[in-house]
Amino acid sequence: GENVEQHPSTLSVQEGDSAVIKCTYSDSASNYFPWYKQELGKGPQLIIDIRSNVGEKKDQRIAVTLNKTAKHFSLHITETQPEDSAVYFCAAPLSGTSYGKLTFGQGTILTVHP
Amino acid sequence: DAGVIQSPRHEVTEMGQEVTLRCKPISGHDYLFWYRQTMMRGLELLIYFNNNVPIDDSGMPEDRFSAKMPNASFSTLKIQPSEPRDSAVYFCASSYTGGKYGYTFGSGTRLTVV
Repeated sequence: GENVEQHPSTLSVQEGDSAVIKCTYSDSASNYFPWYKQELGKGPQLIIDIRSNVGEKKDQRIAVTLNKTAKHFSLHITETQPEDSAVYFCAAPLSGTSYGKLTFGQGTILTVHP
Repeated sequence: DAGVIQSPRHEVTEMGQEVTLRCKPISGHDYLFWYRQTMMRGLELLIYFNNNVPIDDSGMPEDRFSAKMPNASFSTLKIQPSEPRDSAVYFCASSYTGGKYGYTFGSGTRLTVV
């Protein structure tokens, strides 16, 4: 099945700096890569996703890049703000399931210091 | 839209007791997922349904766990008998077309078995 490795496990930045979280996946057939943000006491929330037919996608201060050859994808947050502090998860679908049955990375605890 | 609704938010029970967690997915979503979250194992998929039919329960840890989806607007996850190692946050998520547009998670049920 799919294996998703996420790094780093914790990330601390100053407000206004950029933050980058990286994930690698094992199944070359995977074609959908979402990122989720989980705030304390809440469920994960989808913040951005990318499909295998594009290499980059942006949404305001958030961007995701995909390198299918190397089988890794990254989340980039620019101009970080304290409200960006949360746990971030990457995910990829298990083999043969297209978009369903996601395998999640272990999560990155992002702390943005004012 | 009220989102995915889970109940109860918190559950404390004694070892050996039966526990039932409930989920109401978003209207119109045809997939429903049950996840368990712990510090040690992260987010684990337990079971998922498509159009109320269980598709894959390979993540259910053992026979003490069971899940049902009697109709499109309701699902339950039952643990009988409960054990301290079942303590975790249990999330329900729903999606349209298997997650092509991402999952929507509920706020979770924090289960503590003493």
